[in-house]
Amino acid sequence: DVKVTQSSRYLVKRTGEKVFLECVQDMDHENMFWYRQDPGLGLRLIYFSYDVKMKEKGDIPEGYSVSREKKERFSLILESASTNQTSMYLCASSLSGPYYEQYFGPGTRLTVT
Amino acid sequence: AQKITQTQPGMFVQEKEAVTLDCTYDTSDPSYGLFWYKQPSSGEMIFLIYQGSYDQQNATEGRYSLNFQKARKSANLVISASQLGDSAMYFCAQSAGFKTIFGAGTRLFVKA
Repeated sequence: DVKVTQSSRYLVKRTGEKVFLECVQDMDHENMFWYRQDPGLGLRLIYFSYDVKMKEKGDIPEGYSVSREKKERFSLILESASTNQTSMYLCASSLSGPYYEQYFGPGTRLTVT
Repeated sequence: AQKITQTQPGMFVQEKEAVTLDCTYDTSDPSYGLFWYKQPSSGEMIFLIYQGSYDQQNATEGRYSLNFQKARKSANLVISASQLGDSAMYFCAQSAGFKTIFGAGTRLFVKA
């Protein structure tokens, strides 16, 4: 059974803290993605990675960075958390190419106070 | 730029009836994929169905079918014989290259 796991379901952080969100997939997928989901806005792509150490900015990369040192792991980093980064964060993975569905993790609900 | 529009923020359907969720997209890429995902209240996104831009036939997966009208750039999801467990958010998505763009979603309520 394919699986994408995320390090936390719920996270509460203070403004200015450095936040790490981890995602691991066990399907040997080349592509990995980080999205944030806000009501009425759907899913917006923050960053994606198509190979180890390779990354591309999505639509809303400001305030975020990513790391992919191993194929199965993709980390999202909030260098200095702000209240407007309070959101649901979803990680996904897929095979390479636009014709493959994405497999999603359960999501991390991050609250920044 | 890619854009996905889901014009129905919320919809109601009677159990056992069919329902159509609308989706229009806008892309200049000749090769792309169209997807529908379901997100129950538990939060996890579940892949439902896929349609390739060059596919001649509409995709079907069990009770789900995708009404693909390429000239109109629409990719509506049809759910037949609705069940209470179909109550969820539904997202239309379009991919080209590495990126996938998602619509804002439609919340479906199935009434007993």
